[in-house]
Amino acid sequence: DAKTTQPPSMDCAEGRAANLPCNHSTISGNEYVYWYRQIHSQGPQYIIHGLKNNETNEMASLIITEDRKSSTLILPHATLRDTAVYYCIGQGNTPLVFGKGTRLSVIA
Amino acid sequence: SAVISQKPSRDICQRGTSLTIQCQVDSQVTMMFWYRQQPGQSLTLIATANQGSEATYESGFVIDKFPISRPNLTFSTLTVSNMSPEDSSIYLCSVPGQGFVYEQYFGPGTRLTVT
Repeated sequence: DAKTTQPPSMDCAEGRAANLPCNHSTISGNEYVYWYRQIHSQGPQYIIHGLKNNETNEMASLIITEDRKSSTLILPHATLRDTAVYYCIGQGNTPLVFGKGTRLSVIA
Repeated sequence: SAVISQKPSRDICQRGTSLTIQCQVDSQVTMMFWYRQQPGQSLTLIATANQGSEATYESGFVIDKFPISRPNLTFSTLTVSNMSPEDSSIYLCSVPGQGFVYEQYFGPGTRLTVT
């Protein structure tokens, strides 16, 4: 499993893009980058994953650097409901191992 | 996707007692995972439960303290035994997704407070 480093907290204005960085410099070639989030008092929720290419779904975009040592999760238009702890995981198998994550606060 | 329910959703227990947490999944799964989330902390894996075999515990967790049952492919229980205030946590069960590999679905959690 890759060691991941994320800022402990970030703020974002409502309606603006939230860019959450993650460093995973030890990630190996067959390990995916996963992003999950945990809204207060709920179980973690899958957001997106990627291996090499950038990915986009209805929730977010994932930008992975060419050397795969870091990635950025982008929430294009953050809302108050996006306030949560966001976990970046670099792993090639289950069960997932969670780090400390980034606490994102979306401010009105 | 998998829908997971847990019972109870929360409980307050006295030290020295035991609590059994139930996890029900709406589809058959080979593996189920149990996590603990202490107040203000991230999730920590307790054990992996496969149907028909003994659960595999992570370092720092033992069967005597956290016995797990896995009687069929849709159900599991985790018991927190001889509880102390340090066991106050949210306990979550999780299952792998059926789609792409390494996705996991999580239950809503059981919030345990030990007094």
